[in-house]
Amino acid sequence: NAGVTQTPKFRVLKTGQSMTLLCAQDMNHEYMYWYRQDPGMGLRLIHYSVGEGTTAKGEVPDGYNVSRLKKQNFLLGLESAAPSQTSVYFCASSPRFGAGGIQETQYFGPGTRLLVL
Amino acid sequence: SQQGEEDPQALSIQEGENATMNCSYKTSINNLQWYRQNSGRGLVHLILIRSNEREKHSGRLRVTLDTSKKSSSLLITASRAADTASYFCATAVGGTASKLTFGTGTRLQVTL
Repeated sequence: NAGVTQTPKFRVLKTGQSMTLLCAQDMNHEYMYWYRQDPGMGLRLIHYSVGEGTTAKGEVPDGYNVSRLKKQNFLLGLESAAPSQTSVYFCASSPRFGAGGIQETQYFGPGTRLLVL
Repeated sequence: SQQGEEDPQALSIQEGENATMNCSYKTSINNLQWYRQNSGRGLVHLILIRSNEREKHSGRLRVTLDTSKKSSSLLITASRAADTASYFCATAVGGTASKLTFGTGTRLQVTL
């Protein structure tokens, strides 16, 4: 199994350009997540999805949109990139929770480095 | 907002020594997890400890949880150069069970 894969690995954008980051998982996981990681700030949740066709906002959703048309894919879109969106973006997935609905292990992709000039 | 704060921010030790890093959090939790991140890579899950557990072991890792102090510690025994990485704690909170909240991380450097 490839686990969680992310495309592209690195991208440079000019301010105002748009792009889509692709996340794919082959573990049949129900839940998927997009995070950004900035120096000294750990990971912050952007958006997440608890199933095909559903999405929800995380801690820092502004400037991003997401879609989960297929269970195995989770797309993160930047409609009009800004320098503040320069970051490393990580996708993660996790299986459906057991009784009590408690979040357990997440599985991460290798990340996408985005530079917005 | 960050739920977890790791301490220290950076730690440098020699191979063979033990490494201890701490995590404090603010609200009641259902479980606390530790992840490792090698430079330029994604995070890898190390160990999970539930709120009703006080200590857990996995190989050279030992995790403790003190819910009264809202704190956890990760001990890596007999460190190796390959343990060089950043370590993050993450908490799962009841009622918002779909999400983890990550701390800011401890950078561990193990030298030969």
